[in-house]
Amino acid sequence: QKEVEQDPGPLSVPEGAIVSLNCTYSNSAFQYFMWYRQYSRKGPELLMYTYSSGNKEDGRFTAQVDKSSKYISLFIRDSQPSDSATYLCATDTGGFKTIFGAGTRLFVKA
Amino acid sequence: KAGVTQTPRYLIKTRGQQVTLSCSPISGHRSVSWYQQTPGQGLQFLFEYFSETQRNKGNFPGRFSGRQFSNSRSEMNVSTLELGDSALYLCASRGDRNTGELFFGEGSRLTVL
Repeated sequence: QKEVEQDPGPLSVPEGAIVSLNCTYSNSAFQYFMWYRQYSRKGPELLMYTYSSGNKEDGRFTAQVDKSSKYISLFIRDSQPSDSATYLCATDTGGFKTIFGAGTRLFVKA
Repeated sequence: KAGVTQTPRYLIKTRGQQVTLSCSPISGHRSVSWYQQTPGQGLQFLFEYFSETQRNKGNFPGRFSGRQFSNSRSEMNVSTLELGDSALYLCASRGDRNTGELFFGEGSRLTVL
């Protein structure tokens, strides 16, 4: 079993839709939870970062962590074609070993 | 501030050969991590170096090795290449304080024939 599970998709939505991306993890020692975005032929870039459980909002993006169920979510409101990318969830115990999910490919159609 | 630089960007090798990939981190970053990215497996952690020492290691065979130099530049080597080693190899650096933010290069795309 992988430490971080993520549905690879692809996920296709119309412009303006609310997108929900999810991951589950198995190691209860994970404390840091991140979402990275990767455009084609580029390296991943940090999108959102949360420590422990709770919600964090940044513009159209909301990250949610539920440590009791080991569930990580990213919501994108009013999705735009420019949001089309691969979204990777990631976790870290604080020991500088960041583990990534497989990534979900998102397509937002104009 | 210059980003993470990886060389070469593309390379083609044949089975049995070896390959060395190079990574120059962001100035001031002492931690360098390497990842293998494939369509089926996603981003898989290879190893992490800090101040010339391997601090963390993933679950890859011994054919995969790395090192870090005193200027924080890092190299990874894959010996006896197999077809399944075809992948995008990504290097990432981070600052000393773990904020969760890794700064990635654009990767080295290796094709093994």
